[in-house]
Amino acid sequence: GAVVSQHPSRVICKSGTSVKIECRSLDFQATTMFWYRQFPKQSLMLMATSNEGSKATYEQGVEKDKFLINHASLTLSTLTVTSAHPEDSSFYICSARARTRNQPQHFGDGTRLSIL
Amino acid sequence: KNEVEQSPQNLTAQEGEFITINCSYSVGISALHWLQQHPGGGIVSLFMLSSGKKKHGRLIATINIQEKHSSLHITASHPRDSAVYICAVLTPYNNNDMRFGAGTRLTVKP
Repeated sequence: GAVVSQHPSRVICKSGTSVKIECRSLDFQATTMFWYRQFPKQSLMLMATSNEGSKATYEQGVEKDKFLINHASLTLSTLTVTSAHPEDSSFYICSARARTRNQPQHFGDGTRLSIL
Repeated sequence: KNEVEQSPQNLTAQEGEFITINCSYSVGISALHWLQQHPGGGIVSLFMLSSGKKKHGRLIATINIQEKHSSLHITASHPRDSAVYICAVLTPYNNNDMRFGAGTRLTVKP
């Protein structure tokens, strides 16, 4: 079964709306969570890395004020797309990894965001 | 040049065929993942390996650390194997972040 739950799976909303996406690790403590964006027929692009209890580290070119990441607990990270616009429409995927060395990274099922 | 190169980009096979997908990388790694992404978008980790060979059902993954190359094999392919297969390497720096290949889109026809 899924070890990382991502919600919602699909969002359609109007331009200017802020959208929150949740990523939960179900049966392990995720000390590190990753947020990716994927454009059609392209591979995953890392947006930011978050460690529990500390500020997220954003990749170059990713606006931290646009994509707010919170990793308040060992089982939950959220990505909020603030004042979303059509160009923010994309597929967003989170993944999580436990502190234990050499543990695999588990992925959520993704969120398809469509901004009208 | 991408740090992780996959080939082929697209692959169409008949049911029952033996399939090989290749991955070459140019960075130091601590481990390599083979991931499967279905049309709905969800990603499943098939294998994580750092040496040798792993087998799970009809899937086999091998890695040659010296040559910086890995292969994913599917025996007796089936239409339900149709998906995008992504090679991803785990780097031992920058919070152990993952670098992804562009993916191989596999279609298995009945």
